[in-house]
Amino acid sequence: EDKVVQSPLSLVVHEGDTVTLNCSYEVTNFRSLLWYKQEKKAPTFLFMLTSSGIEKKSGRLSSILDKKELFSILNITATQTGDSAVYLCAVNFGNEKLTFGTGTRLTIIP
Amino acid sequence: DAGITQSPRHKVTETGTPVTLRCHQTENHRYMYWYRQDPGHGLRLIHYSYGVKDTDKGEVSDGYSVSRSKTEDFLLTLESATSSQTSVYFCAISEYRGRETQYFGPGTRLLVL
Repeated sequence: EDKVVQSPLSLVVHEGDTVTLNCSYEVTNFRSLLWYKQEKKAPTFLFMLTSSGIEKKSGRLSSILDKKELFSILNITATQTGDSAVYLCAVNFGNEKLTFGTGTRLTIIP
Repeated sequence: DAGITQSPRHKVTETGTPVTLRCHQTENHRYMYWYRQDPGHGLRLIHYSYGVKDTDKGEVSDGYSVSRSKTEDFLLTLESATSSQTSVYFCAISEYRGRETQYFGPGTRLLVL
């Protein structure tokens, strides 16, 4: 069964801290891994990763994939209160569908 | 933001009644999806469509049916709503070529009493 596991389930940090969110998956037929940010509304797309070792970066957010060890990390540096959200990881296992993890709830304290 | 709307945005209904949720897109994307989101379960795929009149089941399809008669509209029907179908429902779309990247609608919050 295709499976995506995110850790930690929740995380509380102070503004300005750096955080690392984890996503691991079980391999069947991996094609891509995606990160989404969800505030009190619909998930919004952050990154898609397909190749191992290549970092995707957007401002203070970055992500990298390790296809050998079957995981990805999402880093957020110099966190701000606007980064508070649930971060979702999803994997495409070689078909038209995405399998989602349960998410990491990140809370930034001012 | 991708042009995706969902209606209604909120609905309260009673057990046993039929309910239809609508997803409308203006992006002319081929793929459309229905998910439900519940605490502790994340987003789970109900049904998806890969073209007009072409649909397939997801992991939690029991109790749900879908229809797609036009590219822009994807309907989700609960034939006889149950309390276990209380959830937030999201529609998503993706292009044919980059179909892994899905863009989500604003969601419909459904309460079945």
